[in-house]
Amino acid sequence: DADVTQTPRNRITKTGKRIMLECSQTKGHDRMYWYRQDPGLGLQLIYYSFDVKDINKGEISDGYSVSRQAQAKFSLSLESAIPNQTALYFCATSDRGLRTGELFFGEGSRLTVL
Amino acid sequence: AQSVAQPEDQVNVAEGNPLTVKCTYSVSGNPYLFWYVQYPNRGLQFLLKYITGDNLVKGSYGFEAEFNKSQTSFHLKKPSALVSDSALYFCAVAAPGGQNFVFGPGTRLSVLP
Repeated sequence: DADVTQTPRNRITKTGKRIMLECSQTKGHDRMYWYRQDPGLGLQLIYYSFDVKDINKGEISDGYSVSRQAQAKFSLSLESAIPNQTALYFCATSDRGLRTGELFFGEGSRLTVL
Repeated sequence: AQSVAQPEDQVNVAEGNPLTVKCTYSVSGNPYLFWYVQYPNRGLQFLLKYITGDNLVKGSYGFEAEFNKSQTSFHLKKPSALVSDSALYFCAVAAPGGQNFVFGPGTRLSVLP
């Protein structure tokens, strides 16, 4: 089983619909992240959480919200999806500080908004 | 604020030849630098990192990278490319005391048989 699991892997929806992407991890890491990948733009940080009570906005948080239900679960919501939110979304985890360096990624959730 | 540039969208190399994927960065203070690889339909995988110490860092799958402070670069290298190395490669930087990674736009590596 994957250490970082994202559901759904693929989703097609319509403009205005509410969408939730879920992420769960078995690595026991405190830190969890949601990134968005668009071709030619690399990964952009949407939200991050350093523990259950600590949630922070990233560089492109507008139009998104998150919930950290437990140490192992971090969900991303699009309250009213729009076409320019069509992208590949990644959840990632890390252990403590940046010095340890390694982000562990899920396999991605491909979202298409029509 | 930190930033990362990967000047080449695409790098093509013949199998068996050496490869280089370029990365330059901008950050206040001494950087933490990383390379990740993404295979089709997969998440990113960690390759290697530079935190401190020896400027030449060795990582997974025979890859290495050299930190050059004066040129603010962290180029990824491999002496002999394999077709299976074909993937999308991302450089990332973080600032000491900062909280997050900043990723470059990615470079697509194609190794031709």
